[in-house]
Amino acid sequence: EAGVTQFPSHSVIEKGQTVTLRCDPISGHDNLYWYRRVMGKEIKFLLHFVKESKQDESGMPNNRFLAERTGGTYSTLKVQPAELEDSGVYFCASSQGPGQYSGNTIYFGEGSWLTVV
Amino acid sequence: DAKTTQPNSMESNEEEPVHLPCNHSTISGTDYIHWYRQLPSQGPEYVIHGLTSNVNNRMASLAIAEDRKSSTLILHRATLRDAAVYYCILGWNYGQNFVFGPGTRLSVLP
Repeated sequence: EAGVTQFPSHSVIEKGQTVTLRCDPISGHDNLYWYRRVMGKEIKFLLHFVKESKQDESGMPNNRFLAERTGGTYSTLKVQPAELEDSGVYFCASSQGPGQYSGNTIYFGEGSWLTVV
Repeated sequence: DAKTTQPNSMESNEEEPVHLPCNHSTISGTDYIHWYRQLPSQGPEYVIHGLTSNVNNRMASLAIAEDRKSSTLILHRATLRDAAVYYCILGWNYGQNFVFGPGTRLSVLP
């Protein structure tokens, strides 16, 4: 069974440009999460989809970040325009059940490494 | 948000057992205790989770204190591949996100 896949694995863009990160969750997983770790900081939650709906987007840093989940399948995270402080690794994760409350396992992808220069 | 406290780093010799502690004195009755680990250049990986009783799986064991204010992840025989950052995370409400702390960086010496 395929795990959570993310694309691209690495991206280098100039400040002010746009980048779109894609995540394909494990098939059948209704829950999809985005996290990120910026330089020197801890992994932080960005948002949570249940199917195509945003359940919790409290971690989105500002309106330069836009996440979508078309038809409840794959998800994209767009950063427009990118700033230097956006550099870091962006993780996508998915889970089958409600998530933490029931103790269901959350599976993470390997991350998309973003460098803004 | 319930918080966890872990040592910044630990060291172990290969093929010896490792006990990674986690304190969570403000844990609520519905919080599950999750352990994830992150190997270099990879995403976090599920290790084990539990609620009240001790748990075993092929990767590790989880020992939960009777008052649930602390837990210990046990790797029975550390290998070089177990060198990673280990995160102890609590789940407290439906649909809420994981809160990652700095974790414990485990070094395994050959």
